Amino acid sequence: QVTLRESGPALVKPTQTLTLTCTFSGFTLDTSGLCVSWIRQPPGKALEWLARIDWDGDKYYSTSLKTRLTISRDTSKNQVVLTMTNMDPVDTATYYCARSIAAAYDSWGQGTLVTVSS
Amino acid sequence: QSVLTQPPSVSGAPGQRVTISCTGSSSNIGAGYDVHWYQQLPGTAPKLLIYGNTNRPSGVPDRFSGSKSGTSASLAITGLQAEDEADYYCQSYDNSLSGSPVVFGGGTKLTVL
Repeated sequence: QVTLRESGPALVKPTQTLTLTCTFSGFTLDTSGLCVSWIRQPPGKALEWLARIDWDGDKYYSTSLKTRLTISRDTSKNQVVLTMTNMDPVDTATYYCARSIAAAYDSWGQGTLVTVSS
Repeated sequence: QSVLTQPPSVSGAPGQRVTISCTGSSSNIGAGYDVHWYQQLPGTAPKLLIYGNTNRPSGVPDRFSGSKSGTSASLAITGLQAEDEADYYCQSYDNSLSGSPVVFGGGTKLTVL
């Protein structure tokens, strides 16, 4: 059974750096073809793709956010970490991690709501 | 402004058929990339509904079907049920150098009357 779970702070202040951890089970990220992405959803708004890390270590970022994002993995811990710098209130959203195979996201975490406020 | 365009809302009565469109461009759907669909029930994470344009994951009722043509794709739901009331998103890949590689539609809210 594949599961993913996001963890991190529920509240961050403007200008701070956000660090989110995705802990997963039921698969290993070094399996060919598997990827883990971060996707966010502001309250009442659409899904927005942020970043992806692949089984071979390749990394991809949202063009509009790439200067603020870093994605990494710890294969031994089955974790993927996303850092986002210089947080702003517009970054308030539910952040999801999700697994993809052949570009379709077949498993999602429950999401974690991050509020940016002073 | 989402790269993939969906109608903000659709509605239908129980038992009816509804379709949700997803319009892209030559850098995504029109370039031949697959379209995937997700259902998001209120307060929950999205769930994969259709992958590879037309395929249903195990457990998804055959009332849900997908199609793709040119720069657009569609999700059809037949025999509408109250439990289908949710937000639906399409997703694809984009090869535009100025955009992100993974793109979602703006979402469509389905109301079952």
